[in-house]
Amino acid sequence: AQSVSQHNHHVILSEAASLELGCNYSYGGTVNLFWYVQYPGQHLQLLLKYFSGDPLVKGIKGFEAEFIKSKFSFNLRKPSVQWSDTAEYFCAVISSGTYKYIFGTGTRLKVLA
Amino acid sequence: KAGVTQTPRYLIKTRGQQVTLSCSPISGHRSVSWYQQTPGQGLQFLFEYFSETQRNKGNFPGRFSGRQFSNSRSEMNVSTLELGDSALYLCASSLEGGTSGSHYNEQFFGPGTRLTVL
Repeated sequence: AQSVSQHNHHVILSEAASLELGCNYSYGGTVNLFWYVQYPGQHLQLLLKYFSGDPLVKGIKGFEAEFIKSKFSFNLRKPSVQWSDTAEYFCAVISSGTYKYIFGTGTRLKVLA
Repeated sequence: KAGVTQTPRYLIKTRGQQVTLSCSPISGHRSVSWYQQTPGQGLQFLFEYFSETQRNKGNFPGRFSGRQFSNSRSEMNVSTLELGDSALYLCASSLEGGTSGSHYNEQFFGPGTRLTVL
């Protein structure tokens, strides 16, 4: 069965620190990958997505993610976090030709001012 | 353009009761997906509808059911509620759903319905 693993459940950083959140998926076929973010009191929203081409994708608010097919990973990065990045981050995968997204369990990020 | 709306926003029920949640997708979106969000479990896929047809479903018991109407609005029903059904239920809409093309894949989420089962 397909699955998505987010190894960091809670992360606490100081402002200006660099961020990397891990995401690994298990599926051998063609996949599309996403990172969603849920700010406190707000809806889930798309941060970035990977479909094909350049494995380094850039999203909103300075976030980027790198797809490494050999490692089945899609880690999220930001060189310098801000207090406003405090949120819960979800990695998700959908297999090509299906309609079923598989989400990870989420990582709660707290950025200290 | 109005976003995805879900009603009601909060519900309190007791064990054994049933509940119906409603989702209105963004205008023009034909795919509606439902998720259950709980702490520690993240988002778990319930089912996806497109043009009134369920195209995919997750690993939930038959107590969880859904439907979609011709105007793309969707409802989900949970019968014989259990304490473990307490969760935030999210609805997401997209133009076509699935992976027919990169343009169609983005899901837009609603605010959710917070269900508490006592």
